[in-house]
Amino acid sequence: RKEVEQDPGPFNVPEGATVAFNCTYSNSASQSFFWYRQDCRKEPKLLMSVYSSGNEDGRFTAQLNRASQYISLLIRDSKLSDSATYLCVAMGGSNYKLTFGKGTLLTVNP
Amino acid sequence: DAMVIQNPRYQVTQFGKPVTLSCSQTLNHNVMYWYQQKSSQAPKLLFHYYDKDFNNEADTPDNFQSRRPNTSFCFLDIRSPGLGDAAMYLCATSRVGGEEDTQYFGPGTRLTVL
Repeated sequence: RKEVEQDPGPFNVPEGATVAFNCTYSNSASQSFFWYRQDCRKEPKLLMSVYSSGNEDGRFTAQLNRASQYISLLIRDSKLSDSATYLCVAMGGSNYKLTFGKGTLLTVNP
Repeated sequence: DAMVIQNPRYQVTQFGKPVTLSCSQTLNHNVMYWYQQKSSQAPKLLFHYYDKDFNNEADTPDNFQSRRPNTSFCFLDIRSPGLGDAAMYLCATSRVGGEEDTQYFGPGTRLTVL
């Protein structure tokens, strides 16, 4: 079983749609979680950190369920500029290494 | 202002010809990482430095080496690049032990092996 698993995608949605990404992690000792966004041929950029019970930043909401080892990202009112690959990331409990999911490609269409 | 800088952005080398990729940071972070990312795959950690301590991943080939002469700089040396080593190489930094443990990535170096 992969350490971090994401929806395989790709997701194609119209502008204005709400889209949700799901992610599970296998290392119960993981303590920190992140969503990174990666544009084509660019580096990953931090979108949101996800701590404790989750958090919201504008149109983006991240949720964490430690009991189920599940993380989600919700994007409301999607924009064309949201088109990217979204990477779910876990940081181990006793170390500071990131484990990446394979990423989910989102395309927002006009 | 760029905080994690990688040079060059694009590198072309020949099969078997050694190549060095460079990373520098202005964040004064104590940890620096090197990742390899191939098309449609997640970044794969090769190794990292916690201060001067080098930590190699178990499945990183011996062909890949790294140096960190000071806090700001870290190098990735590929001793004998093969065709399978063509990828994007990403450098990242973080401050372990601080309030924020986020990793910041550089723009990457895209390596082509001919």
